[in-house]
Amino acid sequence: GDSVTQMEGPVTLSEEAFLTINCTYTATGYPSLFWYVQYPGEGLQLLLKATKADDKGSNKGFEATYRKETTSFHLEKGSVQVSDSAVYFCALSSGGSNYKLTFGKGTLLTVNP
Amino acid sequence: SQTIHQWPATLVQPVGSPLSLECTVEGTSNPNLYWYRQAAGRGLQLLFYSVGIGQISSEVPQNLSASRPQDRQFILSSKKLLLSDSGFYLCAWSVGAAGGGNTIYFGEGSWLTVV
Repeated sequence: GDSVTQMEGPVTLSEEAFLTINCTYTATGYPSLFWYVQYPGEGLQLLLKATKADDKGSNKGFEATYRKETTSFHLEKGSVQVSDSAVYFCALSSGGSNYKLTFGKGTLLTVNP
Repeated sequence: SQTIHQWPATLVQPVGSPLSLECTVEGTSNPNLYWYRQAAGRGLQLLFYSVGIGQISSEVPQNLSASRPQDRQFILSSKKLLLSDSGFYLCAWSVGAAGGGNTIYFGEGSWLTVV
């Protein structure tokens, strides 16, 4: 079945540091890939997505590139801010599971001033 | 624009008591609706999804149930709560299936503590 593996947290960075959160997946067919963000005490918000190989999703300075050859969708940001502190979830949907997203376990990011 | 409302935001319930969480979506018709649970340290687990009124699919066996009495209303229920039902419950919607890149949009969530 479909699965998503993302790096274990928590991740603690200083403001303006470079961020990478690794995400790899296993899926049938050609999945769509997503990153969601959950700020403290809130629901999930879509951060970015990519629907086919080599697509790059981007939003709020975050980027992730759909790499079919390495089955990866790593999240990056060049300079994090305190306001980026949140839990980040990688997710996929595939033809084998059309009605649902399969999520990774989430990575807690804390950015210190 | 579309909005999703979920309530109550927080509740504390004794073991064995009933549960009802409600969710409504505004600004769209015939959405796909979902209930997810987020338990501490476990990520998100899909509990139920619905593609239309009265149509409910369950992803995991448990003592929870879901109903969709109206097009944009989704209810999560239990007759008798267990301690293991504690968690953060998220309602969500999408236009069409998640496959193909359609985005799922989440509500603000409901914190349930069973004591």
